[in-house]
Amino acid sequence: EAGVAQSPRYKIIEKRQSVAFWCNPISGHATLYWYQQILGQGPKLLIQFQNNGVVDDSQLPKDRFSAERLKGVDSTLKIQPAKLEDSAVYLCASSLVGGSVAGDFETQYFGPGTRLLVL
Amino acid sequence: KQEVTQIPAALSVPEGENLVLNCSFTDSAIYNLQWFRQDPGKGLTSLLLIQSSQREQTSGRLNASLDKSSGRSTLYIAASQPGDSATYLCAVRGGGNKLTFGTGTQLKVEL
Repeated sequence: EAGVAQSPRYKIIEKRQSVAFWCNPISGHATLYWYQQILGQGPKLLIQFQNNGVVDDSQLPKDRFSAERLKGVDSTLKIQPAKLEDSAVYLCASSLVGGSVAGDFETQYFGPGTRLLVL
Repeated sequence: KQEVTQIPAALSVPEGENLVLNCSFTDSAIYNLQWFRQDPGKGLTSLLLIQSSQREQTSGRLNASLDKSSGRSTLYIAASQPGDSATYLCAVRGGGNKLTFGTGTQLKVEL
């Protein structure tokens, strides 16, 4: 079974430029997550999709970050304009479903991440 | 707001040593706790999952315990090997399958 795919793996841009990341989840996974991991910290959830609808984007800096998941499969995360503090690894994960029933658990499978450096 | 803390931040041990990694969380209303491993340039790999009703889980040389009431978990690694060198992250799951991660422990096992 193919895992979560992400591209590009590395990206270097100058501040105020724009950048986009792509994620292809595991086939059949309804829920897709984007995380930001700053060096020395744990991953922080940016946005969660259930199919092509947004479930949670409370920690997404909406003035510069946007994400979409067309047709409920692939997803793109965009930053425009980028700031120095956006330098981080952007991780994509997917799970079969994202239920909140007590005791229910859906394993999140992570991609390799995209390492962004903003100069 | 859930906060997850891991200590130590970094650890270096000789091969063969048994070691313990610690994780604490502020809100005990969790569904489960998960330990992940992260290798440089790679994504996260799930190691162990403990449901909120469980006390511990074991997989090979790894044993994870959970004390939900005190907001603590430990990951025990027996007979450490150089291949165990990685960053270990714990994450607690709240509603909506939302994971809150700790800051990680960077482990180096030396020959």
